[in-house]
Amino acid sequence: AQSVTQLDSQVPVFEEAPVELRCNYSSSVSVYLFWYVQYPNQGLQLLLKYLSGSTLVESINGFEAEFNKSQTSFHLRKPSVHISDTAEYFCAVSSGSARQLTFGSGTQLTVLP
Amino acid sequence: ETGVTQTPRHLVMGMTNKKSLKCEQHLGHNAMYWYKQSAKKPLELMFVYSLEERVENNSVPSRFSPECPNSSHLFLHLHTLQPEDSALYLCASSQFSGGSYNEQFFGPGTRLTVL
Repeated sequence: AQSVTQLDSQVPVFEEAPVELRCNYSSSVSVYLFWYVQYPNQGLQLLLKYLSGSTLVESINGFEAEFNKSQTSFHLRKPSVHISDTAEYFCAVSSGSARQLTFGSGTQLTVLP
Repeated sequence: ETGVTQTPRHLVMGMTNKKSLKCEQHLGHNAMYWYKQSAKKPLELMFVYSLEERVENNSVPSRFSPECPNSSHLFLHLHTLQPEDSALYLCASSQFSGGSYNEQFFGPGTRLTVL
């Protein structure tokens, strides 16, 4: 069985400040890891993913996440946030042939002016 | 239309009504999913269809009945719902191949309110 824990349900941060959204997972097999973002009144959009290779993955809008196998973590970071980054962020894990994605409970990022 | 579309976007129904949610994917994928998103809770996977065959059903109450007539369309038929069924219902699709990762593409959701 696999599970995902997002340690913070709400993260308020001022514009242009750095942010880290934490995600820890548990799985008995090799995993694929994802971050999805959900803007108000919209569905989930894939932000970035780790499949294999380099443990640091980046998105086109400045977010990055690092896969840390020893700490079973996949934290999401951005060095300088914008008002438009305000959204809910979901971490998810998929393992091997599993059709399922297991999601965390989400972190609401609110960027303040 | 592109991606994954869902209709209606909003639905209000009484507990004795019967309604259906529709999802359509324009990505050529072979798997489709229904999720329930309630406030402050993780996304709950309800049903998975792969190649039009239901392959997983996470013990969802029988008042929810899925239908997948072809690889591009997915329905969720609703009857005698309860107020606690009020939530955002998300549809997703993916190109599933055994042993590979499973990147899912989501629709905008249907906001359901049960009175």
